[in-house]
Amino acid sequence: EDQVTQSPEALRLQEGESSSLNCSYTVSGLRGLFWYRQDPGKGPEFLFTLYSAGEEKEKERLKATLTKKESFLHITAPKPEDSATYLCAVQPQGSGGYQKVTFGTGTKLQVIP
Amino acid sequence: GAGVSQSPSNKVTEKGKDVELRCDPISGHTALYWYRQSLGQGLEFLIYFQGNSAPDKSGLPSDRFSAERTGGSVSTLTIQRTQQEDSAVYLCASSLHFGRVQNEQYFGPGTRLTVT
Repeated sequence: EDQVTQSPEALRLQEGESSSLNCSYTVSGLRGLFWYRQDPGKGPEFLFTLYSAGEEKEKERLKATLTKKESFLHITAPKPEDSATYLCAVQPQGSGGYQKVTFGTGTKLQVIP
Repeated sequence: GAGVSQSPSNKVTEKGKDVELRCDPISGHTALYWYRQSLGQGLEFLIYFQGNSAPDKSGLPSDRFSAERTGGSVSTLTIQRTQQEDSAVYLCASSLHFGRVQNEQYFGPGTRLTVT
């Protein structure tokens, strides 16, 4: 069974204090790993898809990286508007049909001004 | 353009009643997904529709849950004889198409269901 574990569960940063969120996964062959941002009372918002170890993607203050066992979401000089829950999800390889995406429980990030 | 919309945004119902939740996916998206999100839990997959193919219902927790998608667009999730453990946020998502490479899913705002 595919598993996704995110750490820490919650993270509190001062504005400008860079840090990283971790997503560890076990999957029988990775088709794709996804990062989403979720604000309170809203649905998740897509951020990145990573497909293979060594791949990196950036968007503003966020950079996502991928290894064979985990992914990191690096946040550089965060601002209060970066406060949200960040979700990681994986989709396994497979032939035919829908290969279910498994979500982690998320890291709740709070950035203090 | 318009995103995924869901209605109602909030629903309070009495135990034992039936409820219907609606999802309007992004126009042109052929894949549609329903998830359930409980407090402190990850997103729980419920059901997946792709085009005219038979839906993947393997995530539905019991036979009280059913879903349909009419005309390849709007979808309705029905929960019969609601129980308190059904209380959660029900999220709908759509994606452009299902292929060898999973396309990102775009989520609606969710319906918060409370069963009293």
